[in-house]
Amino acid sequence: KAGVTQTPRYLIKTRGQQVTLSCSPISGHRSVSWYQQTPGQGLQFLFEYFSETQRNKGNFPGRFSGRQFSNSRSEMNVSTLELGDSALYLCASSLTTGVHIQYFGAGTRLSVL
Amino acid sequence: SQQGEEDPQALSIQEGENATMNCSYKTSINNLQWYRQNSGRGLVHLILIRSNEREKHSGRLRVTLDTSKKSSSLLITASRAADTASYFCATDAGVQGAQKLVFGQGTRLTINP
Repeated sequence: KAGVTQTPRYLIKTRGQQVTLSCSPISGHRSVSWYQQTPGQGLQFLFEYFSETQRNKGNFPGRFSGRQFSNSRSEMNVSTLELGDSALYLCASSLTTGVHIQYFGAGTRLSVL
Repeated sequence: SQQGEEDPQALSIQEGENATMNCSYKTSINNLQWYRQNSGRGLVHLILIRSNEREKHSGRLRVTLDTSKKSSSLLITASRAADTASYFCATDAGVQGAQKLVFGQGTRLTINP
């Protein structure tokens, strides 16, 4: 089985722009979660999607949003980028919602200049 | 805010030695997981221990959980150079039915040949 695929792997944007990151979960997995990882704040939960519905949301501003499609693929969007949004964004999938083992993608490294 | 606090923040040992990492958390949990992250990559699940379990083994890994002290430890025996990575504990923060993992800041483990 193919693992979790995140695209793109690297992204460079400037302040004020918006960005969309993509995540394809493991086949058959219906839950997708997103995390932000920075040296200062560590790994922080952004949100979880299951059956195209946002199930849970972390403590991030409304500039961070996401969605899930009927094939379980997910996208997250960050609008009006700020320098502090520079981070590694990780997507994780699991079979279903509830607390289960999560399988992570390699991440998208976003640099905001 | 982080649920888990890991100790030590960094650990450097010789190949063949045992490595012990500790994790403390704040609120009640349903389970606790340990993940490994190689530099700048995605996380890999190592082991999950439920709140009613006290000890779990997987290969060279041994995890203990003390819910009365709200702490867990990860022991890696007979370390290898390939074990060099960051190790994170993650809890479900007692959020029933929600796929929200809260990670500690991690322990950076270096195995010297």
